Amino acid sequence: GAVVSQHPSWVICKSGTSVKIECRSLDFQATTMFWYRQFPKQSLMLMATSNEGSKATYEQGVEKDKFLINHASLTLSTLTVTSAHPEDSSFYICSARWTISSYNSPLHFGNGTRLTVT
Amino acid sequence: RKEVEQDPGPFNVPEGATVAFNCTYSNSASQSFFWYRQDCRKEPKLLMSVYSSGNEDGRFTAQLNRASQYISLLIRDSKLSDSATYLCVVNNDMRFGAGTRLTVKP
Repeated sequence: GAVVSQHPSWVICKSGTSVKIECRSLDFQATTMFWYRQFPKQSLMLMATSNEGSKATYEQGVEKDKFLINHASLTLSTLTVTSAHPEDSSFYICSARWTISSYNSPLHFGNGTRLTVT
Repeated sequence: RKEVEQDPGPFNVPEGATVAFNCTYSNSASQSFFWYRQDCRKEPKLLMSVYSSGNEDGRFTAQLNRASQYISLLIRDSKLSDSATYLCVVNNDMRFGAGTRLTVKP
């Protein structure tokens, strides 16, 4: 159980375009999902917490107007990188917690999206 | 002081070696602890939860020391496939440190 699916696995886009990444919890409901970004040889950086039915909470330094998060259902959160630039090229990963009521549950991760902006 | 700190490594060990990593935490009220592994260019995967009494899963042993506020991960009989970055998560803070890089060499 506790499978998180992320799509697409990789995407190449031109500078100035927008890219949408989907994160789905396949066999459980997730009122909260998390979005991370990871540059080569660096640690995972939490970008934002996605809350079903409400606005996402962004970490300091993450532009909410550039990284649009929508969590319209209990099984789907999307991250849209708007007006992408080469410096946005990174590995984007989502995660969700199986049991919504307990922080004792581990995080389960999607398989990540490798974004390359040319 | 960071809430969670890990041995940065890297740890380079031969096959068959025993290696241990520590992860210290500052919040004494922390209740949940996990070890993840992340392979290069992949997402983190849950390796094991850490229980108060300590727990073992095959070659892997996780322990919690509440008095000194750290958790540990012991890997026995290291395999080449154990090469990865190991990340600890405390209280499901959702924020990861840099992790500990392990390379097992033939």
